[in-house]
Amino acid sequence: AQTVTQSQPEMSVQEAETVTLSCTYDTSESDYYLFWYKQPPSRQMILVIRQEAYKQQNATENRFSVNFQKAAKSFSLKISDSQLGDAAMYFCAYRAGNTGKLIFGQGTTLQVKP
Amino acid sequence: EAGVTQFPSHSVIEKGQTVTLRCDPISGHDNLYWYRRVMGKEIKFLLHFVKESKQDESGMPNNRFLAERTGGTYSTLKVQPAELEDSGVYFCASRVSGTGATEAFFGQGTRLTVV
Repeated sequence: AQTVTQSQPEMSVQEAETVTLSCTYDTSESDYYLFWYKQPPSRQMILVIRQEAYKQQNATENRFSVNFQKAAKSFSLKISDSQLGDAAMYFCAYRAGNTGKLIFGQGTTLQVKP
Repeated sequence: EAGVTQFPSHSVIEKGQTVTLRCDPISGHDNLYWYRRVMGKEIKFLLHFVKESKQDESGMPNNRFLAERTGGTYSTLKVQPAELEDSGVYFCASRVSGTGATEAFFGQGTRLTVV
């Protein structure tokens, strides 16, 4: 069975600094997708960034980028120039190519200090 | 364009009562998912609809939970009778069909408290 692990329950970063959230996963599938979702206090989950497993290039969305290490089954999220609005819970998620359901990690609460 | 909408946002019921949660997906999204997060634990998959059909209901915890998707539009999740361990936040998500890393759009969730 596929699993997703986020080993950092809480992280904090100073405003304007960089922070990396870690995520590892376990799967025997070759076709899959990885996602980072952000859940602010409003509870609405918002997609931050996505990565197709067949792509070697790391995905980037403005201040957000990933370090995708397929052999190590690692998918970390880097947030550059952290802003107060980045404070939220971040979930790493996996989806096998032939299914629709997401498998989530436990979540990491990110605090941004002014 | 309206996003995924869930009703109610919060529900408090007594053990043994019945509660029905509703999810209105984004128009045109054939795929609809239910997830829940029990306090302090990870978000767990409950089931997946493709249009009106249940594609995968492997995550449904027991037969006290019944999900329907009338005409392939909105979906309801009924818990009857509710137990204390059913407390948590229930999320609905919808997604277009097709291959690729298509995004699942989430509702704001329904916080269910069983007392």
